[in-house]
Amino acid sequence: DAMVIQNPRYQVTQFGKPVTLSCSQTLNHNVMYWYQQKSSQAPKLLFHYYDKDFNNEADTPDNFQSRRPNTSFCFLDIRSPGLGDAAMYLCATRAAQETQYFGPGTRLLVL
Amino acid sequence: SQQGEEDPQALSIQEGENATMNCSYKTSINNLQWYRQNSGRGLVHLILIRSNEREKHSGRLRVTLDTSKKSSSLLITASRAADTASYFCATDLENTGFQKLVFGTGTRLLVSP
Repeated sequence: DAMVIQNPRYQVTQFGKPVTLSCSQTLNHNVMYWYQQKSSQAPKLLFHYYDKDFNNEADTPDNFQSRRPNTSFCFLDIRSPGLGDAAMYLCATRAAQETQYFGPGTRLLVL
Repeated sequence: SQQGEEDPQALSIQEGENATMNCSYKTSINNLQWYRQNSGRGLVHLILIRSNEREKHSGRLRVTLDTSKKSSSLLITASRAADTASYFCATDLENTGFQKLVFGTGTRLLVSP
């Protein structure tokens, strides 16, 4: 059974057109993460939520925002996607100091 | 900056051979986790090893951790073509005040039939 679900799996957007990626989890974990991964690179943490507390990485562009309306759901909003934002976006969840579980990812293409 | 460095960056072997990947890190950790990623897919968790553990096994996988050397290794025995993937180590940093995994640079493994 899927534990971390990401929709859609593939997303095509236009340059500058806002886009939202979604993530849901069935694990009831209090921490949720968003990573950006470009080809042949390691995942790069954008931000995470500890319950409702939002933690932004220092080098995450302002163009990236996130919302977590409840424990199960978390959204990544890209306000004005640029060509450089084309990447795989990975959502993950974990409980304290335990295994971190990833979703299958959403591949974003910016035209 | 990334916490972990992995070597080799790429590894090519034949089916049936063993594959060893190494991970080094810089600061004290709570645990270290290994992940596999098939091309274009999400990360699949393989093994978590805690800072007070030295070795863990899971099927054909063996992970070691040497906290004095700040290094870990992942051994895949009797490799199969299906093991072809990228492998990442990720460290759970101690005393960061919040939960954060930092990923290594990854090893791309190619297993040829």
